[in-house]
Amino acid sequence: DVVLTQTPVSLLISLGGQASISCRSSQSLVHSNGNTYLHWYLQKPGQSPQLLIYQVSNRFSGIPDRFSGSGSGTDFTLKISRVEPEDLGDYYCLQSTHFPRTFGGGTKLELK
Amino acid sequence: EVQLVESGGGLVQPGRSLKLSCVASGFTFSNYGMNWIRQAPGKGLEWVAYISSGSSYIYYAETVKGRFTISRDNAKNTLYLQMTSLRSEDTALYYCARRWELDYWGQGVMVTVSS
Repeated sequence: DVVLTQTPVSLLISLGGQASISCRSSQSLVHSNGNTYLHWYLQKPGQSPQLLIYQVSNRFSGIPDRFSGSGSGTDFTLKISRVEPEDLGDYYCLQSTHFPRTFGGGTKLELK
Repeated sequence: EVQLVESGGGLVQPGRSLKLSCVASGFTFSNYGMNWIRQAPGKGLEWVAYISSGSSYIYYAETVKGRFTISRDNAKNTLYLQMTSLRSEDTALYYCARRWELDYWGQGVMVTVSS
């Protein structure tokens, strides 16, 4: 199975600051069709996860441009600029290139 | 507006069965693959199962293979998860979600396995 190693486990950020989360895969996430199915989610307290970024770098509908994704192959990053209170919660990466699908362990974003 | 609404959860004894449902609206259900994902209390997300739009392709996590069955009824816009031989470690909030990207999620339904 593909293992996604997400770091850091927790992140203390000041409002207006920048956060960066890494997601490293144990194998390439490039699908045979050429696409890379690595996605990012935010789970706010008491809520269902919501899709932020799909296929590495595409912002989902309604997601502000403060969120950006980058990377390739096995190494991926989510950046959040100008952190706002509504950005707090648990962030997860997911790979859907291979079965079984696997999630990273999560990163908790908290205010400093 | 895309909506996914799960139901069927509850308290069940170890070894017993339970069937979850996920009713979809706001999109053409028969065009999309669907997933079940779960989250144990205080833990991270775990993908459980996937079914393609026409039910031709079905995949499971090793932790549930042989015990859980994913299915769908496109005429009823409904996704199912039949869970048998339940264990305490299956206790979790179960979500349904759409597509490979898991672009839309339901609100989740709680399953508690305990004697």
